[in-house]
Amino acid sequence: RKEVEQDPGPFNVPEGATVAFNCTYSNSASQSFFWYRQDCRKEPKLLMSVYSSGNEDGRFTAQLNRASQYISLLIRDSKLSDSATYLCVVERTGGGADGLTFGKGTHLIIQP
Amino acid sequence: ETGVTQTPRHLVMGMTNKKSLKCEQHLGHNAMYWYKQSAKKPLELMFVYNFKEQTENNSVPSRFSPECPNSSHLFLHLHTLQPEDSALYLCASSRALAGGGQETQYFGPGTRLLVL
Repeated sequence: RKEVEQDPGPFNVPEGATVAFNCTYSNSASQSFFWYRQDCRKEPKLLMSVYSSGNEDGRFTAQLNRASQYISLLIRDSKLSDSATYLCVVERTGGGADGLTFGKGTHLIIQP
Repeated sequence: ETGVTQTPRHLVMGMTNKKSLKCEQHLGHNAMYWYKQSAKKPLELMFVYNFKEQTENNSVPSRFSPECPNSSHLFLHLHTLQPEDSALYLCASSRALAGGGQETQYFGPGTRLLVL
């Protein structure tokens, strides 16, 4: 099983629609989870952290299911500017250094 | 701006050249990272430095040589690269390696490298 697995897409979604991404991770000891956003030919940027109780930031909602080792991101009322690649990121634990493991990303295209 | 800068932004080099990539962070962070991002692949962690000490070398070929003179600067020295090394090289920093959200990483804009 890959450390962090995401559906690469692309997801083609009309403007104003709601879209959800899922991500699974293999390390049950991971404690911290994030969604990063990467625009074409740009660096990844933190979108939001994911907390156990679920959290919301404007149109974005993140959920964590530890039992299933599953993370989700919901985008409501999608905008054209939401078009990007969304990276699921999980803290690495154990062994030498820690740091983060990145998924391959889910490509989202919002269509007018 | 994220507070992490990288130079050069673009680099073309031959397989016999020697070049260096530079990263500087202005965030007061203690951990710095080098990643490689190739087309259609996830970010690949290359090196991790914590308080100037290398804590991880993720099986990176010796033609890539990192240097961390202080907590704010990180270099990646390149020599005798191969065409398959062409990629986007991203530097990142975080306050700490792990714990309480301090592992959140902030990325530089990257150096787009082409090896001919």
